[in-house]
Amino acid sequence: EIVLTQSPGTLSLSPGERVTLSCRASQSISSSYVAWYQQKIGQAPRLLMSATSRRATGIPDRFSGRGAGTDFTLTISRLEPEDFAVYYCQQYGLSPWTFGQGTKVEMK
Amino acid sequence: EVKLEESGGGLVQPGGSGRLSCAASGFFFSSFSMIWVRQAPGKGLEWVSFIGSRGSTIYYADSVRGRFTISRDDAKNSLYLQMTSLRAEDTAVYYCAKMGQELWFGNYSTGAMDVWGHGTTVTVSS
Repeated sequence: EIVLTQSPGTLSLSPGERVTLSCRASQSISSSYVAWYQQKIGQAPRLLMSATSRRATGIPDRFSGRGAGTDFTLTISRLEPEDFAVYYCQQYGLSPWTFGQGTKVEMK
Repeated sequence: EVKLEESGGGLVQPGGSGRLSCAASGFFFSSFSMIWVRQAPGKGLEWVSFIGSRGSTIYYADSVRGRFTISRDDAKNSLYLQMTSLRAEDTAVYYCAKMGQELWFGNYSTGAMDVWGHGTTVTVSS
């Protein structure tokens, strides 16, 4: 099983700031099959990014993803008020499909 | 509009059973693999069970194998999760999700979870 470790656990930031979230895998993920999801309180997760760097439909371009092998990142270039949420990375290249434990981006 | 809607959650006693349903609309349901993901209170996401298109391939998380059964009825555009021998640690919001088509394994595909339902809550307690 591929274990995903996200860091940091929580970030306290202000609107307008740039943020980079990290996701490290316990083994190399084939073909960069990594996704990122955003979850707000009381809501279902929403797909932000697939295949490391492909934005899902309707996701603004302030969100970007990169990485390969075991290290992946999600960057929000300029935080908007609606971006404060929990972010999960997930690998889907190999069953079992595993999630990271999440990074909470909270407003300072 | 592509939509998934779960139902069937509720309060169940330890050792009891329950069946979750997920109604799909707005896409060609039979062509896509589907997955159940759960989230315990205050915790992260945990995949529970996967079923490939046409139902030929099924996987379970170790935590539910032997107790949960996933199935689908393509004629009804519906996904199901039969749960038995429920435990307190099964208490969670259960989401169904559609998987994209990025990787192909014979007769089924997998991918990122691109559509999610709103979730249904299962509480296992006496």
